[in-house]
Amino acid sequence: GAGVSQSPSNKVTEKGKDVELRCDPISGHTALYWYRQSLGQGLEFLIYFQGNSAPDKSGLPSDRFSAERTGGSVSTLTIQRTQQEDSAVYLCASIQGSNYGYTFGSGTRLTVV
Amino acid sequence: QKEVEQNSGPLSVPEGAIASLNCTYSDRVSQSFFWYRQYSGKSPELIMSIYSNGDKEDGRFTAQLNKASQYVSLLIRDSQPSDSATYLCAAPQGGSEKLVFGKGTKLTVNP
Repeated sequence: GAGVSQSPSNKVTEKGKDVELRCDPISGHTALYWYRQSLGQGLEFLIYFQGNSAPDKSGLPSDRFSAERTGGSVSTLTIQRTQQEDSAVYLCASIQGSNYGYTFGSGTRLTVV
Repeated sequence: QKEVEQNSGPLSVPEGAIASLNCTYSDRVSQSFFWYRQYSGKSPELIMSIYSNGDKEDGRFTAQLNKASQYVSLLIRDSQPSDSATYLCAAPQGGSEKLVFGKGTKLTVNP
């Protein structure tokens, strides 16, 4: 696609429910990143994909968080048993090569009530 | 020391002035630096990158890198109200493929 597409744009969920966030990167971009941004905080790295593998998942906060990428394209970030502290904007970015010039999607605003 | 640190501000300048945004970094990052602009409620967008000591100019924006002092700055000349945003400094974490970001400096340009 022309840009990085994320869905849903907003998600309100009850504490304890599972959620899935989707990222569709720019076509041909091999690297895909997930970050989250809490109110007043900087961007916190979660996980990085190169193709379908995740060489660096060091930022996942707990085992309730998981992510996968299929076909070297779409990625899904799953949060199980959501907690209020999971409320944040989840951002996906993709790049071609390793020039660090991230193109970010518009994000998913997750609110856990 | 955090890998990338920024003064969170807020920074307020009058229209037409020079806005100066600063960032310091630790030895734990690789020495390539990126400035992203983030409008309220929007996602970050890359506006400048700098890899070498000295200045790099692009229109009204100038990035400055001083490796000896471990700081990088972004100057915005002839500031416009449309420049009002949060500016994020980022660098690759040493030995990894990911960027680490500062918390950002919120800039307001007053008409």
